[in-house]
Amino acid sequence: EAGVVQSPRYKIIEKKQPVAFWCNPISGHNTLYWYLQNLGQGPELLIRYENEEAVDDSQLPKDRFSAERLKGVDSTLKIQPAELGDSAVYLCASSLLGLSSYNEQFFGPGTRLTVL
Amino acid sequence: QKEVEQNSGPLSVPEGAIASLNCTYSDRGSQSFFWYRQYSGKSPELIMFIYSNGDKEDGRFTAQLNKASQYVSLLIRDSQPSDSATYLCATKTQGGSEKLVFGKGTKLTVNP
Repeated sequence: EAGVVQSPRYKIIEKKQPVAFWCNPISGHNTLYWYLQNLGQGPELLIRYENEEAVDDSQLPKDRFSAERLKGVDSTLKIQPAELGDSAVYLCASSLLGLSSYNEQFFGPGTRLTVL
Repeated sequence: QKEVEQNSGPLSVPEGAIASLNCTYSDRGSQSFFWYRQYSGKSPELIMFIYSNGDKEDGRFTAQLNKASQYVSLLIRDSQPSDSATYLCATKTQGGSEKLVFGKGTKLTVNP
């Protein structure tokens, strides 16, 4: 079974340019997450989707960040315009939503963004 | 105050020794606790989860939870060089919320 797929793996852009990241979750996983991980820090949640609905976007900087999950499968995270401080690894994860207190989140390989 | 606190290390142990990783959390509503391992340049992978007070063992790994003290730990017995990685502690509140709150991780180095 394929894991979470992300592209691109690396991206280098100049500040003020737009950038987009794509994520394909594990087949059948209805919950999708975008995390931001700065160097030496743990992942921080940006947005969580249950199917196509964004149910937690409280940490998403909405002035420059946007996300979508059309048809409840793939998702795209966009930054426009990018700032120097956006340089980080953007991780996508997916899980099955259920009643259990344990729903393992599987992480993709991440996209390492460098803003110059 | 960050919700999940970990000593960033680095923690260095000799091969074969027991590595002890510690985590404290501030949200008393936290019900589930997770340990993720992250190799350099790779994504996190789940190695243990626990939600009842006490110990939970899986092979060389033991997770310990003390909700009264708001403390979670991970013990790695017979440490191997392949265990060298950053270990992330994460908590999740009950009630259907799928939000994980991560600590910044402890870097472990196991010396041959």
